Amino acid sequence: GGIITQTPKFLIGQEGQKLTLKCQQNFNHDTMYWYRQDSGKGLRLIYYSITENDLQKGDLSEGYDASREKKSSFSLTVTSAQKNEMAVFLCASTRGREQYFGPGTRLTVL
Amino acid sequence: QQKVQQSPESLIVPEGGMASLNCTSSDRNVDYFWWYRQHSGKSPKMLMSIFSNGEKEEGRFTVHLNKASLHTSLHIRDSQPSDSALYLCAASIGGSALGRLHFGAGTQLIVIP
Repeated sequence: GGIITQTPKFLIGQEGQKLTLKCQQNFNHDTMYWYRQDSGKGLRLIYYSITENDLQKGDLSEGYDASREKKSSFSLTVTSAQKNEMAVFLCASTRGREQYFGPGTRLTVL
Repeated sequence: QQKVQQSPESLIVPEGGMASLNCTSSDRNVDYFWWYRQHSGKSPKMLMSIFSNGEKEEGRFTVHLNKASLHTSLHIRDSQPSDSALYLCAASIGGSALGRLHFGAGTQLIVIP
């Protein structure tokens, strides 16, 4: 088996701040994803990457940057945090079709 | 335009009852449907997937698919309080990057003891 870890678990930022979230997987999966989930809602795709150094925009990429320097890791940057923003950011990976999710990073912007 | 729609938004059933959740895609190129379950404060976990017409049963869970109408449904019989969760339907669409899923907004299921 494998595992996906996300750091930090909780992230508190200030309006306008640049914030970085990290994701690591040891499944040796090719494709990795970043999703945003607002309270009790579905998942919206921000960025995905099908291999090292590849980046593809999802449906919600504006306001975010991403980086995939190694196969095992995928980072997401919130370029300018919005006041009162609260959401959970989920990282996932897949080889083939089934997606496996990390535990999430909960973001609060003051 | 959202490619996957789920209904109802929320559902309350008594313990021991049947819960029925619906999901439809607006994209005719859907090739797989997935059902994920997400307990409060946890990450989504895959429940079942289906790609051919008909039904698939695993324990108390049954999934139906009608490819002509691009409609899938999840039925939970003998519902338990531990089934209370957000149920997410997702579709993989031919032509998209392999593994990319389009998620619906979810159905919040509450099972009352």
